[in-house]
Amino acid sequence: ETGVTQSPTHLIKTRGQQVTLRCSSQSGHNTVSWYQQALGQGPQFIFQYYREEENGRGNFPPRFSGLQFPNYSSELNVNALELDDSALYLCASSPRDGTDTQYFGPGTRLTVL
Amino acid sequence: GEDVEQSLFLSVREGDSSVINCTYTDSSSTYLYWYKQEPGAGLQLLTYIFSNMDMKQDQRLTVLLNKKDKHLSLRIADTQTGDSAIYFCAESKGQGGKLIFGQGTELSVKP
Repeated sequence: ETGVTQSPTHLIKTRGQQVTLRCSSQSGHNTVSWYQQALGQGPQFIFQYYREEENGRGNFPPRFSGLQFPNYSSELNVNALELDDSALYLCASSPRDGTDTQYFGPGTRLTVL
Repeated sequence: GEDVEQSLFLSVREGDSSVINCTYTDSSSTYLYWYKQEPGAGLQLLTYIFSNMDMKQDQRLTVLLNKKDKHLSLRIADTQTGDSAIYFCAESKGQGGKLIFGQGTELSVKP
């Protein structure tokens, strides 16, 4: 069984640029959530996708957007990058079995200069 | 509020038991989770407990839940150097899949 995978592993961008991060969910999971983890902090919920629709959103501005595809993989897009967007971005998939149990990928480390 | 609080550091000797504590604020939380994060890695799910349970045991891990005090703990028996990592507790309210995490407890295991 393949776990959650994310690409790329690391990324360096400059302020004002746009970035797309990708996530493949674990086999059999139909729900994908994205989190931002700043250095020394716990992950913060960005949003969740289920059946290709946004299913819940945290306190992040509209320049954070996402997509889910029919194969349940997902993208996180961030426009107009700011220095504070530097963080580890984590994707998690879940089987929607009523437990909300989420299984995380290794993350993408984004550095904004 | 939506605060989950944990102490930041814990240091133990190899072979001792470790107890990591967490308090949460929302009594309507449905599930509570413990995750482990090693340096530069993602989060590994260790265990979870449903809010109507008091205790759950899984090999070396024991989770205790005190709903009245909104207190959750993770006990690791016979702690090994490989257990050194940051441990996060998280709560779920079943609303749009949002997990609320604490700041994490850094466990250091000394030989």
